[in-house]
Amino acid sequence: DGGITQSPKYLFRKEGQNVTLSCEQNLNHDAMYWYRQDPGQGLRLIYYSQIVNDFQKGDIAEGYSVSREKKESFPLTVTSAQKNPTAFYLCASSGLADYNEQFFGPGTRLTVL
Amino acid sequence: GQNIDQPTEMTATEGAIVQINCTYQTSGFNGLFWYQQHAGEAPTFLSYNVLDGLEEKGRFSSFLSRSKGYSYLLLKELQMKDSASYLCAGLDSNYQLIWGAGTKLIIKP
Repeated sequence: DGGITQSPKYLFRKEGQNVTLSCEQNLNHDAMYWYRQDPGQGLRLIYYSQIVNDFQKGDIAEGYSVSREKKESFPLTVTSAQKNPTAFYLCASSGLADYNEQFFGPGTRLTVL
Repeated sequence: GQNIDQPTEMTATEGAIVQINCTYQTSGFNGLFWYQQHAGEAPTFLSYNVLDGLEEKGRFSSFLSRSKGYSYLLLKELQMKDSASYLCAGLDSNYQLIWGAGTKLIIKP
């Protein structure tokens, strides 16, 4: 089955620790995205990548870092510099056609204690 | 600036019809998406409109008016499983999605 996987579903970390969220897709999509979702707010773009070894900052990139070493993988690191990291994190992928419907992974809920 | 506005919450009755409105302001416009998101789950694609008019898909329809910067999602024959948040998102000139905060739809028996 083609799709996007994110792991883990739930993640707990102590304040001050870096944490890496996994995102893998087997849809052969060129573009991948990371969003953050907080209660009562829309999805906010953290980073996106349209090609291997290249990525762009979104609206709220501060305190986050990404890599795109393989087409299938786009891990997100939440660093200790992120002031309020507790949130629901969603990874998505899409093709590069004009009509770029995004497919989402199941999400990771990160709680920083 | 870019902005997507939609109501925060709506309530409807099982079997009825509900219309969820969305107004948008984007830098350029390359279409409008509607997604459904159940609590704690990933958004799933419902519809995409780039031309004016109504697109029908079973119980769900989506309408777009580019001149008015307006869209709506129409849900017919509501079922309890339709209780979810509905996200409106506009595709801007850079082909980036600008997301609304979502409308939480509550279905009552």
